[in-house]
Amino acid sequence: DSGVTQTPKHLITATGQRVTLRCSPRSGDLSVYWYQQSLDQGLQFLIQYYNGEERAKGNILERFSAQQFPDLHSELNLSSLELGDSALYFCASSTSGTVQETQYFGPGTRLLVL
Amino acid sequence: LAKTTQPISMDSYEGQEVNITCSHNNIATNDYITWYQQFPSQGPRFIIQGYKTKVTNEVASLFIPADRKSSTLSLPRVSLSDTAVYYCLVTDTGRRALTFGSGTRLQVQP
Repeated sequence: DSGVTQTPKHLITATGQRVTLRCSPRSGDLSVYWYQQSLDQGLQFLIQYYNGEERAKGNILERFSAQQFPDLHSELNLSSLELGDSALYFCASSTSGTVQETQYFGPGTRLLVL
Repeated sequence: LAKTTQPISMDSYEGQEVNITCSHNNIATNDYITWYQQFPSQGPRFIIQGYKTKVTNEVASLFIPADRKSSTLSLPRVSLSDTAVYYCLVTDTGRRALTFGSGTRLQVQP
C-alpha cells in the first residue's frame, strides 16, 4: 500500500460524457502527478501540481483538466469523452515534486468509455 | 532528453539472478537512473535509484559503469512474484516528470 488513494476504482461511461477522478496523496506529500496508461500508449504523464499550483504539463488533452485543492487532494476532470480515453489513470505523489524524488503511485482508476 | 532502451521481454526461472540492462547513451551530468516495477493493473513501484557505481537495497542492486551510458538492474534469486514489467528511467533534471518507456516484461517460471 503506497498511501495514495484513488476513487473510484472503476468507471464505465458513454462517449460525450464527463467524469471526475479523485486522488488523495500520501500524508505530507505536496506534489501530485497524473498519468494515463493505455494499451497502445504506455504510461503517459499528464500533469503535475505542487501545493495547489500547476507545475508541469505533459500530454494532457484540452478536454482534460485538473486541480489540487487546499487539503492537497487532486481531481482530474475528463470531458467530451471518446472511446480512446479508455485507460487506467494513475495518480502519484511525492514530497516536494522534484524529478529525482520517489513517486508513490495509487492503485489507479480504470475508465471504460462505451 | 535522455532516451532509454531496454529489452522488451526476458524469461527466467525461480531462484536465478536476473540482470536487466538499460542503455541511455545521452544521459546528462545531473541525471539520475531510476527503476520502477509494475504489476498488472497496479501503479508502478519504485525499486532503486543511482547516479554512479553501485547501489544496493533490500530488493535489488543497480550497477552503473563510469561512462553512465548504461545501467544494469540485478534481481537476486527471483521468485514467481517478481513477474512484472520493469521500467528504466533517466530522471532528467531539465524536466519535471518521469518519462516511462516500454519497459521490460520479466516472466519468472517455476
